[in-house]
Amino acid sequence: EAGVTQFPSHSVIEKGQTVTLRCDPISGHDNLYWYRRVMGKEIKFLLHFVKESKQDESGMPNNRFLAERTGGTYSTLKVQPAELEDSGVYFCASRRVDNSPLHFGNGTRLTVT
Amino acid sequence: AQSVAQPEDQVNVAEGNPLTVKCTYSVSGNPYLFWYVQYPNRGLQFLLKYITGDNLVKGSYGFEAEFNKSQTSFHLKKPSALVSDSALYFCAVRDAAGANTLFFGTGTRLTVIP
Repeated sequence: EAGVTQFPSHSVIEKGQTVTLRCDPISGHDNLYWYRRVMGKEIKFLLHFVKESKQDESGMPNNRFLAERTGGTYSTLKVQPAELEDSGVYFCASRRVDNSPLHFGNGTRLTVT
Repeated sequence: AQSVAQPEDQVNVAEGNPLTVKCTYSVSGNPYLFWYVQYPNRGLQFLLKYITGDNLVKGSYGFEAEFNKSQTSFHLKKPSALVSDSALYFCAVRDAAGANTLFFGTGTRLTVIP
């Protein structure tokens, strides 16, 4: 089966610009997660979708971040306007059911200059 | 609150020697514990998990981890390291009765020296 795919793999934008990250989970995986790793820090949870519904968005840092999963398939994470501290690697992960292993994408490396 | 500590940023070991990557955790209830590995320019790959049962858990690529409740630890081990084991390793935890969200550590970079 195809794995979790993320696009783009790298993005370099200026402070104040907008960026949209995309994640295509494994087909049939209702659970979709976004995580972020800032350089040298832990991988931090951002939010969790079950199908198209936001199950838990307690990790979203502020209202500059907007995640959507229309139709319960792919998901987008928009950062608007981007700030320097938003730089990091954004990972998407999916799983079919609770307690099954998470399948991660390769991540999107975002650099805000 | 749930958290994971990986006290070592970097672990170096000679090829053929045993390796240990340390992890301690904090949860309010019973823990579910995981190890993931990240190779360069790749996503995280699942290695093994502890949910219940035997404290010694065996996973992919010859890795194993031992759950120690009294020490709140879940150290990753391998009897004989390979150069190809060089990667970034992440420990993760969730509360068994809590939300279905994993909390990760900061990662440990393992370098196996030929």
